[in-house]
Amino acid sequence: GESVGLHLPTLSVQEGDNSIINCAYSNSASDYFIWYKQESGKGPQFIIDIRSNMDKRQGQRVTVLLNKTVKHLSLQIAATQPGDSAVYFCAEAFYGQNFVFGPGTRLSVLP
Amino acid sequence: DAGITQSPRHKVTETGTPVTLRCHQTENHRYMYWYRQDPGHGLRLIHYSYGVKDTDKGEVSDGYSVSRSKTEDFLLTLESATSSQTSVYFCAISESGGGGRETQYFGPGTRLLVL
Repeated sequence: GESVGLHLPTLSVQEGDNSIINCAYSNSASDYFIWYKQESGKGPQFIIDIRSNMDKRQGQRVTVLLNKTVKHLSLQIAATQPGDSAVYFCAEAFYGQNFVFGPGTRLSVLP
Repeated sequence: DAGITQSPRHKVTETGTPVTLRCHQTENHRYMYWYRQDPGHGLRLIHYSYGVKDTDKGEVSDGYSVSRSKTEDFLLTLESATSSQTSVYFCAISESGGGGRETQYFGPGTRLLVL
């Protein structure tokens, strides 16, 4: 089973809708951020990253927004598909320090 | 999984026995990492390596040791396994440390159960 998924907040969205997953990061000195996707029984998969000199970065169907004022990161997924169902977590880092990973949010796509 | 394999993928062992997990990469990346993942926690760094024979401790290194004799292999050893070490273990790699600010790519994980 998905033991690492226990106790996670869950976001449920209808297929085709947009999803927004949020992450509050801990260190105002962090200047590099990554979003990962983790499917059941698999390792984390890189989705998109952003550096602190940017507020927004777009990929294929995904957009990451960074608000340094309130230490908040969000991942927007456009036209959510069943294959997007997974746990999503953010990671932050600053120079000389290893990554700090959030516990994640489970995204459930409803048919 | 970015040319990263982990073995074994599943392991059941008894308390007090030694266990070694292997991470193998084909990307020739300099940095390799071992993490554990537990319910309610984000990934936590156990040890990492910044080159052959060069390793350092992470956040949760007690009870674990590592070795890296070749660029492509990074071994994690539990000298005497305890039930608290039941977890899913992930190996990750990055091309350079980037001062901690470079993308890390993860392997498929090893699920370890210590009875």
